[in-house]
Amino acid sequence: NAGVMQNPRHLVRRRGQEARLRCSPVKGHSHVYWYRQLPEEGLKFMVYLQKENIIDESGMPKERFSAEFPKEGPSILRIQQVVRGDSAAYFCASSADSGNTIYFGEGSWLTVV
Amino acid sequence: ELKVEQNPLFLSMQEGKNYTIYCNYSTTSDRLYWYRQDPGKSLESLFVLLSNGAVKQEGRLMASLDTKARLSTLHITAAVHDLSATYFCAVDIGPGGTSYGKLTFGQGTILTVHP
Repeated sequence: NAGVMQNPRHLVRRRGQEARLRCSPVKGHSHVYWYRQLPEEGLKFMVYLQKENIIDESGMPKERFSAEFPKEGPSILRIQQVVRGDSAAYFCASSADSGNTIYFGEGSWLTVV
Repeated sequence: ELKVEQNPLFLSMQEGKNYTIYCNYSTTSDRLYWYRQDPGKSLESLFVLLSNGAVKQEGRLMASLDTKARLSTLHITAAVHDLSATYFCAVDIGPGGTSYGKLTFGQGTILTVHP
C-alpha cells in the first residue's frame, strides 16, 4: 500500500534555474495539496488541486510558482527562476475526499545555491 | 486570518513524566489534526479530531478537542525517549468555514525526552 510518493527527495538548483517537484498521491486519492516548510517559519499551505483543477491557490506566491494535477500522471509543483529564499522542504499531501484524513509524502528538499 | 498557537514551543521532559501540549486557534473549526515530525522526515498523522468533546488515545498519547474553547490538547503519559520529535497541531478550515484540507499549522512543539 504505497503512500504519497514524492520525487526528487533532494534537489539542488542554481539561482535562476527551474525546479520541478513531482507528487503521486495515494492510489485512489483525487485531492492533492502542496505545503512548504521554510526554516524558522513552519508549514504553510500553498495550493489544493483536484484532477485537472486548481481549487485553492491562495498560498502560492504570485510569481514563478505554478502547480498542476493532470488527468494522467503525478501532480507537479514548478518553480521558475529559483532564488535562495525558495530553499525549503516541499510536502505533498493527498486525501480520498476533501473531508477525509490527509496523508503527507516524505517531502522534497530544495536547496538553491 | 486564522491563527493557530501552540505552547509550549520547547518541552524538555524526563522519562516517566506526564505533560500536556496546548493548541489554541482563533476561528471555529470542527476538524483538527495532530502530527508528529522527526528531523528531516515527513509528517506522521497521529490523530484527527472531528467534533466537540472528541478524545482519542494511542499508546502514551491522548488528544482532545474543545471546539467551544477553540482548544485542543495533546497529553503525554509516562514519556519515553522514542517520543522525542516535533509535534504540530493543524486546523482544517477554508473559505466560508468549510473543511477541505487547507490546514493551518501551529508553530510546532519540539519535545525532548531525556533519562
